[in-house]
Amino acid sequence: KAGVTQTPRYLIKTRGQQVTLSCSPISGHRSVSWYQQTPGQGLQFLFEYFSETQRNKGNFPGRFSGRQFSNSRSEMNVSTLELGDSALYLCASSLDSGRADTQYFGPGTRLTVL
Amino acid sequence: SQKIEQNSEALNIQEGKTATLTCNYTNYSPAYLQWYRQDPGRGPVFLLLIRENEKEKRKERLKVTFDTTLKQSLFHITASQPADSATYLCALGTNTNAGKSTFGDGTTLTVKP
Repeated sequence: KAGVTQTPRYLIKTRGQQVTLSCSPISGHRSVSWYQQTPGQGLQFLFEYFSETQRNKGNFPGRFSGRQFSNSRSEMNVSTLELGDSALYLCASSLDSGRADTQYFGPGTRLTVL
Repeated sequence: SQKIEQNSEALNIQEGKTATLTCNYTNYSPAYLQWYRQDPGRGPVFLLLIRENEKEKRKERLKVTFDTTLKQSLFHITASQPADSATYLCALGTNTNAGKSTFGDGTTLTVKP
């Protein structure tokens, strides 16, 4: 089975711009979660989508949003980029069996905001 | 608030020795705990999952213990090798929020030949 894929792998944007990142989960996985990883804050949960609905949300401003499509693929969008948004954005998928689900991560998208 | 602490930011050991990494948590009642390995610039790779009703799990040279009374998990790598050098993350989850894991900051392990 193919793993979680994320596109693009690297992105450079300037302040004020907006960006869309894409994630394709492992085939059959219905839950997709997004995380932001920075050296200072570690891995921080952004949100989780299941069956095209946002099921969990972390403590990030409304500039961060996402969606999930009927094939479980997910996108996240960041509007009005700030320098502090520079980070590795990770997507993880899980089967969602209802309990003790292992999350499988993609390689991440490295976003640099100048 | 919920807090996860992993012992020292960095751990250096000699090849062949056992590496022991610690994950402590407070204000949390996890249903399960996971350990991941992360190499620079890459996404975390799942290693082991242990449930709240399990005391110990093993996989090849890896062993994880979970003590819900002490609110602590220990992660052991026996017969360590330089290839084991990486950052190791612990993550806690609950069954009601299976898609949301709370991660520790990680411990960077360096195994010297």
